[in-house]
Amino acid sequence: GAGVSQSPRYKVAKRGQDVALRCDPISGHVSLFWYQQALGQGPEFLTYFQNEAQLDKSGLPSDRFFAERPEGSVSTLKIQRTQQEDSAVYLCASSAYTWVAYNEQFFGPGTRLTVL
Amino acid sequence: AQKVTQAQTEISVVEKEDVTLDCVYETRDTTYYLFWYKQPPSGELVFLIRRNSFDEQNEISGRYSWNFQKSTSSFNFTITASQVVDSAVYFCALRYSNTGNQFYFGTGTSLTVIP
Repeated sequence: GAGVSQSPRYKVAKRGQDVALRCDPISGHVSLFWYQQALGQGPEFLTYFQNEAQLDKSGLPSDRFFAERPEGSVSTLKIQRTQQEDSAVYLCASSAYTWVAYNEQFFGPGTRLTVL
Repeated sequence: AQKVTQAQTEISVVEKEDVTLDCVYETRDTTYYLFWYKQPPSGELVFLIRRNSFDEQNEISGRYSWNFQKSTSSFNFTITASQVVDSAVYFCALRYSNTGNQFYFGTGTSLTVIP
């Protein structure tokens, strides 16, 4: 596809369940980002990959959050033992460049996670 | 501390009116980049514009224009002759050159254009 895709678009989990959210970046994009967007708020940075290397995970809120991008393309954000405060939209973005400060990021539609 | 402030939470205008969305940012470095994104109800963030800290020239793109003023740390966005399709949440965002992977977003301004 032409853009960033994410799946599932919606996920409902019971508190304590593990979830896995998938991101397919634009083909060839070396940089990949995950963001968490709470209701009524702007996106907040979670983590950044350059190819398969996770260069920054400073935004991950707890050790229950884990992200991987083993082959430098598709990425998975995993949340273990979900809590109600994890309910949010999780956005993925990709960029064609490694110098990311200036260059445009392309965002996916997000996965809306609701933890009951 | 909030690095990007969008004081207007919600704005409603009647179609064809002009509207300005405010953005004030916190500066730490001399080199930084400012962005505006549009988030329609579908949820996907759409890039609108990027500005670097050394370029204060204002920009116009169709009905959109941006006013960047370093003296007041502001990067305001004006939509001229608003249309219903402009209804969305608009985010201002900031990146510093030396921590470029971290994107700091404001809380967004929800714009509703009434037909």
